[in-house]
Amino acid sequence: KAGVTQTPRYLIKTRGQQVTLSCSPISGHRSVSWYQQTPGQGLQFLFEYFSETQRNKGNFPGRFSGRQFSNSRSEMNVSTLELGDSALYLCASSLGDGNYNSPLHFGNGTRLTVT
Amino acid sequence: QKEVEQNSGPLSVPEGAIASLNCTYSDRGSQSFFWYRQYSGKSPELIMFIYSNGDKEDGRFTAQLNKASQYVSLLIRDSQPSDSATYLCAVGNNDMRFGAGTRLTVKP
Repeated sequence: KAGVTQTPRYLIKTRGQQVTLSCSPISGHRSVSWYQQTPGQGLQFLFEYFSETQRNKGNFPGRFSGRQFSNSRSEMNVSTLELGDSALYLCASSLGDGNYNSPLHFGNGTRLTVT
Repeated sequence: QKEVEQNSGPLSVPEGAIASLNCTYSDRGSQSFFWYRQYSGKSPELIMFIYSNGDKEDGRFTAQLNKASQYVSLLIRDSQPSDSATYLCAVGNNDMRFGAGTRLTVKP
C-alpha cells in the first residue's frame, strides 16, 4: 500500500506570496490532518478534514486554510506569507472513523522557506 | 499549561538499558494515546497506541497509561543505538495534539 504523499518536498517563497501544498492519503483513509513543525514550537495542529468537511481546527490565523476533495486528497493554502511561516508542514492520514482516534500516518512533509 | 507535556531531554542511556519516557496531558476527556518516533530529518512514525488504562507491550516497547493521573509513558527495553531519536507523545480527543518530544540518545 502506498504511503502518504506530499508535494512538493521543498518550496521557497517570498513574504506576501501565497502557497498551496498537496497531500494524497493512504488509500481507504478518509481523514487528513495538517501539522506545522518548527524547532521551537514542535508539532502544531492546523486542521483536520474528514469526508470533505473540516472537522477540527487548531489555533492558527485565517491565512491558513485547507480543503479536501471527494477522493480524500487534501490541499493546504497559506496566504500572505510571513517569515514565521517557514516550517516543515506535515500531512497525516488516518481512517478517521470510530470512537477513538485512529493512528496517524505521516507523509514526508513539505519544507517551506519564506524569504 | 501546555496540553501535552514531555521532558525535552536529552535523555541518555547506555546500550542495553531501559529508557523511560514520560508524558502528561491536560484534557481529561482524552481517549487515545500514541507514541511516535522521529529521526532527524524524517517524519514521525508510529510506535504504539494505547486506549485503556494499564500496560500494553509490543516487542521491546511497553506503553503505560494512567488516566486518573493523566500520565502516559513509554518504556524501551534493551535500548539500541538505532533507538536514538526524538519520541513524541500524542493525545487524541477529537483532534490529535503532540508534545514537544523527548530526545533520546542510546550510547554504545
